[in-house]
Amino acid sequence: DSGVTQTPKHLITATGQRVTLRCSPRSGDLSVYWYQQSLDQGLQFLIQYYNGEERAKGNILERFSAQQFPDLHSELNLSSLELGDSALYFCASSVGGARGDTQYFGPGTRLTVL
Amino acid sequence: AQSVTQLDSQVPVFEEAPVELRCNYSSSVSVYLFWYVQYPNQGLQLLLKYLSGSTLVESINGFEAEFNKSQTSFHLRKPSVHISDTAEYFCAVSDINSGGYQKVTFGTGTKLQVIP
Repeated sequence: DSGVTQTPKHLITATGQRVTLRCSPRSGDLSVYWYQQSLDQGLQFLIQYYNGEERAKGNILERFSAQQFPDLHSELNLSSLELGDSALYFCASSVGGARGDTQYFGPGTRLTVL
Repeated sequence: AQSVTQLDSQVPVFEEAPVELRCNYSSSVSVYLFWYVQYPNQGLQLLLKYLSGSTLVESINGFEAEFNKSQTSFHLRKPSVHISDTAEYFCAVSDINSGGYQKVTFGTGTKLQVIP
């Protein structure tokens, strides 16, 4: 158990809908990262937050947004969903955002868009 | 820009045989390198990392990786694999983004299948 929790575990929805994925980092970790893992694209970095502030952006679509709240939990919002958004979404946390920090991954949320 | 190449998408190996999972990287700065492992239906977890010092790093479950600067490689090895090592292994490189924060780039992963 990494100490990172993600809810829900599974999510099935329809195209055009909007969903919110939730992540609680390990106690004491200030950085949260979001990743998308799919069969065709592998593990893609989406976005990083540090203590409530956005710090890095990866291959995140404009239909997707995220935020980190004062209690350090984070939410990833996916809107206007398409079939291609079906994937595993992982949240990871680390103590800070420094180079060399180990990232601790949650168990993931499996999103299926029908 | 940094990148990571894992040439082998799948590596089948018999139980108790040795294995090497290859990783090559490119980076414009001094590198920090990681191997993460993903067991079936789980998230990734750190296996080992190289930050500085000895170029040979070891994990608690018998894996080791050697940082080779001249060949820009960080191959993962184990002298004798076990069924429980069946998993997907990701190599990653860490850089600093323009804001001074860590940016980690993952490779495409290598699925290790240990055959009884």
